[in-house]
Amino acid sequence: NAGVTQTPKFQVLKTGQSMTLQCAQDMNHNSMYWYRQDPGMGLRLIYYSASEGTTDKGEVPNGYNVSRLNKREFSLRLESAAPSQTSVYFCASHLDRGSTDTQYFGPGTRLTVL
Amino acid sequence: KQEVTQIPAALSVPEGENLVLNCSFTDSAIYNLQWFRQDPGKGLTSLLLIQSSQREQTSGRLNASLDKSSGRSTLYIAASQPGDSATYLCAVIGGYIPTFGRGTSLIVHP
Repeated sequence: NAGVTQTPKFQVLKTGQSMTLQCAQDMNHNSMYWYRQDPGMGLRLIYYSASEGTTDKGEVPNGYNVSRLNKREFSLRLESAAPSQTSVYFCASHLDRGSTDTQYFGPGTRLTVL
Repeated sequence: KQEVTQIPAALSVPEGENLVLNCSFTDSAIYNLQWFRQDPGKGLTSLLLIQSSQREQTSGRLNASLDKSSGRSTLYIAASQPGDSATYLCAVIGGYIPTFGRGTSLIVHP
């Protein structure tokens, strides 16, 4: 039981390049989330998926796209990276919103856009 | 829109003190509230989850309380230790979107 895994752990991009951040969970959770964490800003929700086949925008979706590939996997894509997207990205999963279970977080991806 | 505020933003205490970290939220229609710990350069680790119908949860030296009517939660840390040094975040879950506070950065010095 690996919990929530994210790849890659670190990435450096040039402005305009694209990349996909991968996330997978093995806990059979319905809900999955992508957050970004910036100094002084706390955790901000980018996109979420309440169940397989559905995705919705969070607080800061501009410049990102997501895919809920199946129940296990939820990927985040930057189509044309900008320096403002330099951040630490966390994926999380949750059984469902009313669950007594906790949210589980991945270890994060540290992205720098030059 | 739900807003979550954590006070204080930073705290530095000597080892052995009992601590209270505060979390307030604006919308009381929540499913549960969760406290996390984050070490520098690491992900978030869940400490305690309080369901909306509960008043408190305890784990070891940690005790979290919830008062939905006043929109407040507190995390009590007893007999603090240097290993407790980290950032503590609270998250409120109402609907599908969890809302996080900005955290309290705690340093416990020997």
